[in-house]
Amino acid sequence: DVKVTQSSRYLVKRTGEKVFLECVQDMDHENMFWYRQDPGLGLRLIYFSYDVKMKEKGDIPEGYSVSREKKERFSLILESASTNQTSMYLCASRKGGASGRTGEQYFGPGTRLTVT
Amino acid sequence: SQELEQSPQSLIVQEGKNLTINCTSSKTLYGLYWYKQKYGEGLIFLMMLQKGGEEKSHEKITAKLDEKKQQSSLHITASQPSHAGIYLCGADRTSYDKVIFGPGTSLSVIP
Repeated sequence: DVKVTQSSRYLVKRTGEKVFLECVQDMDHENMFWYRQDPGLGLRLIYFSYDVKMKEKGDIPEGYSVSREKKERFSLILESASTNQTSMYLCASRKGGASGRTGEQYFGPGTRLTVT
Repeated sequence: SQELEQSPQSLIVQEGKNLTINCTSSKTLYGLYWYKQKYGEGLIFLMMLQKGGEEKSHEKITAKLDEKKQQSSLHITASQPSHAGIYLCGADRTSYDKVIFGPGTSLSVIP
């Protein structure tokens, strides 16, 4: 079974702190994604990576950065956490490649981040 | 407004009843995905539709994609409490393998 793991299920941070959210997948997937999920807004794409060291901005990249140094790991970084970044963060991966759009995403369990 | 719209926003049904959830886009969909999410957890893949007119079923859940590939429906027959959760549709954008999602439909099934 494909497994996508996230470093924490729950996290509480203070305003201004630098926050790292880690995501690891074990299926050699090319594509990895970070979303945030908020009531009434659904899942919104923050960043997407289609290969090691490659990244694309999603719909709401402001206040976030990402790092993909190894194929299996995709990190989301909040440079200076703010209260409006309190949310559920979901990581996903899927097979990619030249043909693109090659199937379903596999999601991690999510990290519920609270910024106080 | 979002690229993908879902209706209804929430649904409460009696156990044993049938129900339908809709997902609509103003653009042609290049791959449509249905996921289920239990509250506070990650998403579980249900089905993928790619061709206009395509229909897939798994247990008591059937998903269809219309001929124009702009609307999909998810139908649950004889609902059970285990069907409760949030149902989300997702779709491929045309470039760079990005996937976007609708806002979700919250389903409650009353025993």
